[in-house]
Amino acid sequence: KQEVTQIPAALSVPEGENLVLNCSFTDSAIYNLQWFRQDPGKGLTSLLLIQSSQREQTSGRLNASLDKSSGRSTLYIAASQPGDSATYLCAVSPIGGSNYKLTFGKGTLLTVNP
Amino acid sequence: DGGITQSPKYLFRKEGQNVTLSCEQNLNHDAMYWYRQDPGQGLRLIYYSQIVNDFQKGDIAEGYSVSREKKESFPLTVTSAQKNPTAFYLCASSSTGYGYTFGSGTRLTVV
Repeated sequence: KQEVTQIPAALSVPEGENLVLNCSFTDSAIYNLQWFRQDPGKGLTSLLLIQSSQREQTSGRLNASLDKSSGRSTLYIAASQPGDSATYLCAVSPIGGSNYKLTFGKGTLLTVNP
Repeated sequence: DGGITQSPKYLFRKEGQNVTLSCEQNLNHDAMYWYRQDPGQGLRLIYYSQIVNDFQKGDIAEGYSVSREKKESFPLTVTSAQKNPTAFYLCASSSTGYGYTFGSGTRLTVV
């Protein structure tokens, strides 16, 4: 059974700092990995989607990497801002297509202090 | 704009009552999902549907029911058999190669 772990569970940084959020998964037979952001009381917003054949994806100040062989992904946030404060979740989908159920980590709660 | 609409945002259920949560998407995605989110437990899959008129149980289907009569719609009914329904419910859809898109959620409270 796939298990996804996110470390740290919570992180507090000063504004402007570069930071890395970690995600690990136990079964490397994945179709893709997706990073989401969730603000309090809101739904999930997709940040980056990495297909299993890719090593990284970038969007603005965000960069996500994927190393299937080691079962790890990282989300790098450059020049953090208070508006980046949210819970960040990673999720993996199994081989067989993305129309299958995702397995989520429990998330990292990020606080960026002005 | 394409997206997923969940309604209502807030829902209150009395003991023994069935309630239905609505989920509509205009993304032309084939697959749709319902997740439940509780503090400290992460997201858990309730039901999912890959095509119209077909759906499968997820990890915590007991006390819930769904239907998929149209591609755009995937309503979730929380029945009186669900003993602890207070939670945040999230609907999602997906298409191969495009990942998942989530709705804004429905917060259900038992009164």
